[in-house]
Amino acid sequence: AQKVTQAQTEISVVEKEDVTLDCVYETRDTTYYLFWYKQPPSGELVFLIRRNSFDEQNEISGRYSWNFQKSTSSFNFTITASQVVDSAVYFCALSEAEDSSYKLIFGSGTRLLVRP
Amino acid sequence: DGGITQSPKYLFRKEGQNVTLSCEQNLNHDAMYWYRQDPGQGLRLIYYSQIVNDFQKGDIAEGYSVSREKKESFPLTVTSAQKNPTAFYLCASKRGIYNEQFFGPGTRLTVL
Repeated sequence: AQKVTQAQTEISVVEKEDVTLDCVYETRDTTYYLFWYKQPPSGELVFLIRRNSFDEQNEISGRYSWNFQKSTSSFNFTITASQVVDSAVYFCALSEAEDSSYKLIFGSGTRLLVRP
Repeated sequence: DGGITQSPKYLFRKEGQNVTLSCEQNLNHDAMYWYRQDPGQGLRLIYYSQIVNDFQKGDIAEGYSVSREKKESFPLTVTSAQKNPTAFYLCASKRGIYNEQFFGPGTRLTVL
């Protein structure tokens, strides 16, 4: 069965520290898509990135980087030089190409607190 | 600006009442979704619609109903049959073939 696990419930760091959020997924599909979303205190989910299963290139966008490893079924998210504005709940999600609903399967989220 | 709007932001319901949550998008997306979020948990799919006049049950559809009469609109009704409706409800629409979904600001429903 498909599943997304975010083992870190809450992480607290001091501003300017680097932090990595872990995501492990399970799927039987050979084609799937992985996502990261940010949920600030306002509640709206903000799309950060999509990664296709057939593209294992890591990606960097400013202070954000993502490490996708099919061998370990992981899609980890690193924030470099964290800032207070990064404080939010971060969700990892999976969507399977063979699921006709195209629904997103979410992990339980990691709450990140960046202290000044 | 293109986006998804949800109303109201906060909603209070008495036991036994039906309430309807609004979701509108002007992104010209065909597919729309309703998810429910409970404290400390991820989102779970309630209903989805991939085209006008068609919709399908998600993983937790019991006690909910939807309609899709227009491409832009996908309202969700929380009926009195929903045993534990207090939650945060998020509407989304899907872009493209890679299942990217974009979310509205959400409606927080509280049963009094």
